[in-house]
Amino acid sequence: DGGITQSPKYLFRKEGQNVTLSCEQNLNHDAMYWYRQDPGQGLRLIYYSQIVNDFQKGDIAEGYSVSREKKESFPLTVTSAQKNPTAFYLCASSSPGQGETQYFGPGTRLLVL
Amino acid sequence: RKEVEQDPGPFNVPEGATVAFNCTYSNSASQSFFWYRQDCRKEPKLLMSVYSSGNEDGRFTAQLNRASQYISLLIRDSKLSDSATYLCVVNKNDYKLSFGAGTTVTVRA
Repeated sequence: DGGITQSPKYLFRKEGQNVTLSCEQNLNHDAMYWYRQDPGQGLRLIYYSQIVNDFQKGDIAEGYSVSREKKESFPLTVTSAQKNPTAFYLCASSSPGQGETQYFGPGTRLLVL
Repeated sequence: RKEVEQDPGPFNVPEGATVAFNCTYSNSASQSFFWYRQDCRKEPKLLMSVYSSGNEDGRFTAQLNRASQYISLLIRDSKLSDSATYLCVVNKNDYKLSFGAGTTVTVRA
């Protein structure tokens, strides 16, 4: 089955710790995205990547970092510089042939201990 | 002004009723429009794209009004399973989308 997987489902971070969220897709999509969702707010774009080895900052990139070494993978690191990391993190991907339609993974909930 | 604004609801309707709600967008250059459905603590899933002429998918009808910059979603013959949050999504450019905060619909038996 084609799809997007994210792991872990829940992640706990201690103060001052960097944590990495995994996102993998086997849809052969070129573009991948990371969003953050907070209660009562729309999804906000953290980073996106249109192609391997290239990525751009979204609207709220401070305190986050990404890499895109493989087409299938787009991991997100939440660094200790992100002071309010508790949120629901969603990874998405899209293909130019399907317009801007983005498909989402199941998400990772990050909580700060 | 937010890029995409939605009435958060909740819209509480009985089974079989019709419910409709809108969202407004600020970027007049937007070209693509979508409705996504999000269940509690789950990821958003594409419900339907919205085309200029309006489009229908079963019990769901979407309309686009470019002049007034709003999109609507109408659900006919509501089912319990339609209870969810509906996200209005508008493209900013080829790769970036703007998401509304969502409209919550609760269908009661």
